[in-house]
Formats: sequence, structure tokens, C-alpha cells
Amino acid sequence: DGGITQSPKYLFRKEGQNVTLSCEQNLNHDAMYWYRQDPGQGLRLIYYSQIVNDFQKGDIAEGYSVSREKKESFPLTVTSAQKNPTAFYLCASSAGTSSYNEQFFGPGTRLTVL
Amino acid sequence: AQKVTQAQTEISVVEKEDVTLDCVYETRDTTYYLFWYKQPPSGELVFLIRRNSFDEQNEISGRYSWNFQKSTSSFNFTITASQVVDSAVYFCALSEASYGQNFVFGPGTRLSVLP
Repeated sequence: DGGITQSPKYLFRKEGQNVTLSCEQNLNHDAMYWYRQDPGQGLRLIYYSQIVNDFQKGDIAEGYSVSREKKESFPLTVTSAQKNPTAFYLCASSAGTSSYNEQFFGPGTRLTVL
Repeated sequence: AQKVTQAQTEISVVEKEDVTLDCVYETRDTTYYLFWYKQPPSGELVFLIRRNSFDEQNEISGRYSWNFQKSTSSFNFTITASQVVDSAVYFCALSEASYGQNFVFGPGTRLSVLP
């Protein structure tokens, strides 16, 4: 079955630690995205990538980093510079890079900072 | 500036009632796309529909229907004869041709369908 997988489902981090969230897709999609979701708010774009070895900052990139070494993988690192990292993180992908392409989402990772 | 407003934070209905979720958007582009997504308790967003700015025809899919009105910048979603499985958070989203595939999501409406 084609789809997007994210791991882990739940992640706990101590303050000052970096953590990496995994996102893998087998849809052969070119574009991939990372969103952050906070209670009562919509999704906010952290980073996106249109092609391998290329990515751009979204609206709230500060304190986050990404890489895109393979088409199917787009890991997100939450660094210690992110002041309020507790949130639900969603990864998505789309077949193309045009505005009409719908995005397909993974099941999400819930990050809690202790 | 692009913006999506979903004024209804939470809605509760009893099973079999009809319910409409409102979505109002702002954009300066003439070419844009509107989307609805469903987020069940499991957390994964599920794509429901896409509409382009040049097609104002209403759409019906089973118990779901969508009403797109450019005159009021609205793209409302109606569930007919609601069921408990419809309980979820529903997001409206906008993408503009000038911004490529970057979406702007509304804050979402949490729908609870009570048995």
C-alpha cells in the first residue's frame, strides 16, 4: 500500500536536546512538507522540499532543520533553539509542485518536551 | 494576503442532523484552489475535495456537498444525515497559483456527532 509513514508516533524530549522526526513516502511524490499543529490552530508550514537536495523555509522554520537526500525521505530535526516545540507534527507529500496538487498526510508525531 | 477563516470552532449535532461547516477565504489571486480535509481522532488528515477558482459548480459526493461562492469568498461544506463516524476536525485550505503548492489552512472546526 502506498502512503506516508511517520515515526515515532509519540516522542518525549528533555529541554536542550535535539530530536529527529522521520517521514517516509512510497508514493513517488516530488514534493514533501512539514507542518506543525497546535491546539485550536490550523497547520503551519515549517519546511518544504520540491526536489531532492533542495528545500525552503516555511512560515515557522526557526529552530528546525531538514534534509532531503532521498526522494522518499524528509526528516525533520527539532533543535534546542526551538523555544516551544511541544506540538503535533505532520508530514505531507504531493505529486507535483503546482497549487492544484492535493497534499497527502502521514499519521503525525506528537512531540512533548519534558 | 491570503487567509482562511473558519468561524465555527466547535459544533455538536445529534446523529442524522444536517450540518454546515463554514469557510471564508481571502486572496488577491484570480487563480486559486480550495480544499477540505478531515482529521479524525487518529490524527492523519484525509483529503476530501479540491475546487478551482473558475469552477463554481456545487459538488455532491454521497452525504457530502460543497457550496462555492466567489461573490462571498466562501466554500462551505455540508454533511447530510450526519453519522458518529463524521466526528472529526475539518480544515479548509487555500493555495494560490502565485505561491505554488504552499497551502494556507484555516484553524479547523471540530464536529461532534452524538448518537
